[in-house]
Amino acid sequence: AQSVTQLDSQVPVFEEAPVELRCNYSSSVSVYLFWYVQYPNQGLQLLLKYLSGSTLVESINGFEAEFNKSQTSFHLRKPSVHISDTAEYFCAVSRRAAGNKLTFGGGTRVLVKP
Amino acid sequence: SQTIHQWPATLVQPVGSPLSLECTVEGTSNPNLYWYRQAAGRGLQLLFYSVGIGQISSEVPQNLSASRPQDRQFILSSKKLLLSDSGFYLCAWSHAGTGSQKGYYEQYFGPGTRLTVT
Repeated sequence: AQSVTQLDSQVPVFEEAPVELRCNYSSSVSVYLFWYVQYPNQGLQLLLKYLSGSTLVESINGFEAEFNKSQTSFHLRKPSVHISDTAEYFCAVSRRAAGNKLTFGGGTRVLVKP
Repeated sequence: SQTIHQWPATLVQPVGSPLSLECTVEGTSNPNLYWYRQAAGRGLQLLFYSVGIGQISSEVPQNLSASRPQDRQFILSSKKLLLSDSGFYLCAWSHAGTGSQKGYYEQYFGPGTRLTVT
């Protein structure tokens, strides 16, 4: 079985400052990796994903995440946050060649302050 | 394009009453379907998933049940609600994938149902 750990439950950050959300996973098999964002009282939206190839993946709104196999990590970063980035962020993994069940981390709540 | 609907958006029910939450997907066929619960201040807990009509797998023993009467319809039910059933319920779907592509597809989430058991 796999597990996902998001080390920070809350991250306060000032507007235009950088932010990093940490995600570590454990799995005995190869995995696919995902970051989802949840705005208040809404469902989850896919932010970005790593399937294969380049270990650095980017989203259309300035986030990026890097897959590090040796450290079993998939940290999410943004060089300059906006007020609208205030949300909860979830890291998730699925096992390759298995079913599409996702294992989610506990989530990191990002509060962007003006 | 595909869309996923959930209703109702909010629900307040007394302890011991029945529950029925519905989820439907449009624009795709034979999707995998999922029910999650998100309790206040906690992450997502997978409750049920389904790979086809009438095929339901339960992840967590509880007083909830799920059914899939049609290819793109997924229903979450309870005969008698408990206070601990309060939470935000999310339905999701994904492409099924076969062989080496299992696990490859992301899940798409509905808008959720906020359930308060009083």
